[in-house]
Amino acid sequence: DTAVSQTPKYLVTQMGNDKSIKCEQNLGHDTMYWYKQDSKKFLKIMFSYNNKELIINETVPNRFSPKSPDKAHLNLHINSLELGDSAVYFCASSQVKGGLPDTQYFGPGTRLTVL
Amino acid sequence: RKEVEQDPGPFNVPEGATVAFNCTYSNSASQSFFWYRQDCRKEPKLLMSVYSSGNEDGRFTAQLNRASQYISLLIRDSKLSDSATYLCVVAQSGGGADGLTFGKGTHLIIQP
Repeated sequence: DTAVSQTPKYLVTQMGNDKSIKCEQNLGHDTMYWYKQDSKKFLKIMFSYNNKELIINETVPNRFSPKSPDKAHLNLHINSLELGDSAVYFCASSQVKGGLPDTQYFGPGTRLTVL
Repeated sequence: RKEVEQDPGPFNVPEGATVAFNCTYSNSASQSFFWYRQDCRKEPKLLMSVYSSGNEDGRFTAQLNRASQYISLLIRDSKLSDSATYLCVVAQSGGGADGLTFGKGTHLIIQP
């Protein structure tokens, strides 16, 4: 049973297009995240979301928007894709205990290439 | 100013050797600490949490030094399968995107 799944695994698209990446977790966690890992392998948190609050890393362009239809899903929508958006995007989930994020469970990643 | 710093390596280590690397953090309000492992083209996975008193899991030992604001990871009797990137993660209260900081990782290569 896959704990955190995301689709698609690979996404190749033209500059200027709009695309979405889907994420689902079956761990019953209350918080989900999106991360971006660039070509230099730096893993950077973009968003976190629970059923009450969306926290956005201030460096993330507003072309990126998370959408959560329910507690088990957090999709990432990207408008007007740019070359610099090419990266691997990881979804993750965790519990938050005592106000602190606990172990992050990552999905397998979506490798986005913008041409 | 970098918040979590790691030596990127690569550390080239012969099989069977002991290897250690550190991670320093700048936010003194940091409250929990983790080491994650990431294999090439795979997602990060938790290796171990780091507790104040230090903790050990088989060949792996993690230590926390709050005074000097660093955590360490020691790997004994290294195996070829230990080759990976090791990510230091620091968390502070808030629970959300502003509560987690990842280091850039230390690349470890175990050589036969």
